[in-house]
Amino acid sequence: AQTVTQSQPEMSVQEAETVTLSCTYDTSESDYYLFWYKQPPSRQMILVIRQEAYKQQNATENRFSVNFQKAAKSFSLKISDSQLGDAAMYFCAYRSLLKAGGGADGLTFGKGTHLIIQP
Amino acid sequence: EAGVAQSPRYKIIEKRQSVAFWCNPISGHATLYWYQQILGQGPKLLIQFQNNGVVDDSQLPKDRFSAERLKGVDSTLKIQPAKLEDSAVYLCASSLLNLGYGYTFGSGTRLTVV
Repeated sequence: AQTVTQSQPEMSVQEAETVTLSCTYDTSESDYYLFWYKQPPSRQMILVIRQEAYKQQNATENRFSVNFQKAAKSFSLKISDSQLGDAAMYFCAYRSLLKAGGGADGLTFGKGTHLIIQP
Repeated sequence: EAGVAQSPRYKIIEKRQSVAFWCNPISGHATLYWYQQILGQGPKLLIQFQNNGVVDDSQLPKDRFSAERLKGVDSTLKIQPAKLEDSAVYLCASSLLNLGYGYTFGSGTRLTVV
């Protein structure tokens, strides 16, 4: 079974600065998807960014980018120019393509990192 | 488009009582998921439906939890009888197809068992 580990329970950053959230995962599969989700107090999970394991290029979405190191099984999220609205819980998640081939494509989540933005 | 609707938003029950949660996915989304999120942890998949059939329920505690998705649209998750450790947020999500993206989550039901 796959596992996802987020070793930073909480991170704090000054507004407008850059912060990096860490995520490592354990899998024996070669093809999979990785995600970062944001969960504000409203509890709704919001997709921040997605990475396909077969792509070497790191995904980027505006101020959000990832550093995907497949061999190291590491998938960190960098938030540039942090804004007050970025404050939330951030979850790293894994989707098995092997299981998805059989129709089961639920996500495996880490425990999350609470991001605090200091004004 | 309307999002994934869940109700109730909050529920408090005593242990050994039963409770049910309702989810209405985005129109046309064939796949529906129920997740359990215990305080301080990430969501854990309980069950996945494809239309009205179960695709994955390997992590569903079947002695007390049940779920159904009649007619392949709305879904209900039930706990009977509830235990203290069932206190959590229950999130519903849906997706159009098994494509690995486009998951849309609802705002969940926060269950407190006392």
